[in-house]
Amino acid sequence: DAGVTQSPTHLIKTRGQQVTLRCSPKSGHDTVSWYQQALGQGPQFIFQYYEEEERQRGNFPDRFSGHQFPNYSSELNVNALLLGDSALYLCASSLVGSGPRRGGYTFGSGTRLTVV
Amino acid sequence: DQQVKQNSPSLSVQEGRISILNCDYTNSMFDYFLWYKKYPAEGPTFLISISSIKDKNEDGRFTVFLNKSAKHLSLHIVPSQPGDSAVYFCARIQGAQKLVFGQGTRLTINP
Repeated sequence: DAGVTQSPTHLIKTRGQQVTLRCSPKSGHDTVSWYQQALGQGPQFIFQYYEEEERQRGNFPDRFSGHQFPNYSSELNVNALLLGDSALYLCASSLVGSGPRRGGYTFGSGTRLTVV
Repeated sequence: DQQVKQNSPSLSVQEGRISILNCDYTNSMFDYFLWYKKYPAEGPTFLISISSIKDKNEDGRFTVFLNKSAKHLSLHIVPSQPGDSAVYFCARIQGAQKLVFGQGTRLTINP
């Protein structure tokens, strides 16, 4: 049973460019959340998608946007990249109504983004 | 904003001994707290959780204690094993599914 799959695993971008990261949720899950983990910090919530709509959003600027497709997979887009956007981007999937309380979240291995 | 803080960036423990990881929180109402473990190049994996109506939850070698008056929770690992070496995050649930994480503590188990 495949867990959460994220692609690519690593990428390097230049300041000002745009990037798209992809996430396929665990089989049976319908909700996707994105987190940013800067070096030495804990993951920070970016936003969550359910039924192809953004349901919750963290404290991130509008340069961060997302999308969820009918097959529940999701994309995270970041425009006008800054050096400070360099981080590990984690995707977590879950089943609505289940949530993280008793381990209902499954995280992917992340995409390491480096902005130069 | 509701926060969780892990004030120890690292901890070193001898194999077989007890590991105690600590976390403080603010502005609590009814809450759920969780502990995650993260190996390099992998995503965080769920370890154990506790509801704020409880004081303790146990699962095998892992026990989480919640001290509501001190707004403090701790994770005990007994006995510690080399495979426990990882970064540990405490987290709380905000809203329906959003997780707020602490900064993490790197645990190293020495043989």
